[in-house]
Amino acid sequence: NAGVTQTPKFQVLKTGQSMTLQCAQDMNHNSMYWYRQDPGMGLRLIYYSASEGTTDKGEVPNGYNVSRLNKREFSLRLESAAPSQTSVYFCASNPDRGSYNEQFFGPGTRLTVL
Amino acid sequence: AQSVTQLGSHVSVSEGALVLLRCNYSSSVPPYLFWYVQYPNQGLQLLLKYTTGATLVKGINGFEAEFKKSETSFHLTKPSAHMSDAAEYFCAVSRDNTGKLIFGQGTTLQVKP
Repeated sequence: NAGVTQTPKFQVLKTGQSMTLQCAQDMNHNSMYWYRQDPGMGLRLIYYSASEGTTDKGEVPNGYNVSRLNKREFSLRLESAAPSQTSVYFCASNPDRGSYNEQFFGPGTRLTVL
Repeated sequence: AQSVTQLGSHVSVSEGALVLLRCNYSSSVPPYLFWYVQYPNQGLQLLLKYTTGATLVKGINGFEAEFKKSETSFHLTKPSAHMSDAAEYFCAVSRDNTGKLIFGQGTTLQVKP
């Protein structure tokens, strides 16, 4: 099993450009999450999908949209990138929405917005 | 609102010394508690978790943590640091039924030879 995969690994955008970060998991997990990591702030939840067909906002959703394409895939879209969105983005999955479950993380996408 | 505080953004220890990374949470109801480790340029992986039962939890790589409800703490320890322990460590809590994690700010552990 590959676990959680993310593409691309690195990306540089200009302000105003758009892009989609891709995430897929092959563990048959129901719940998926998008976090951003910034120095000194830990990881903050952007959006999550508790199950296929549902999505909900997290702590920092402004400027982002998500799509739960199917059970495996959960994409994050930046419609008009801003320098404040420069960050490392992590996708994670959870067998179920239970709070006692471990989340499995992808390797991250390092995004720079100029 | 629930929050997690990790005391000390950087901790430096000598190889073979005790590792102590501090984590306090704010919650009126004990949450589920996690410690994750992030090696350079990698994703996060679970070290250990507390859900219910025994308050002393053992994890991978010789780490353990003790849940102390009276102190709202979940500090991470390892008796003897190894060079390979150098990484960033995150404490996280979860309490509702969505599986969402709330992370602390992270602590970077440096291990000196």
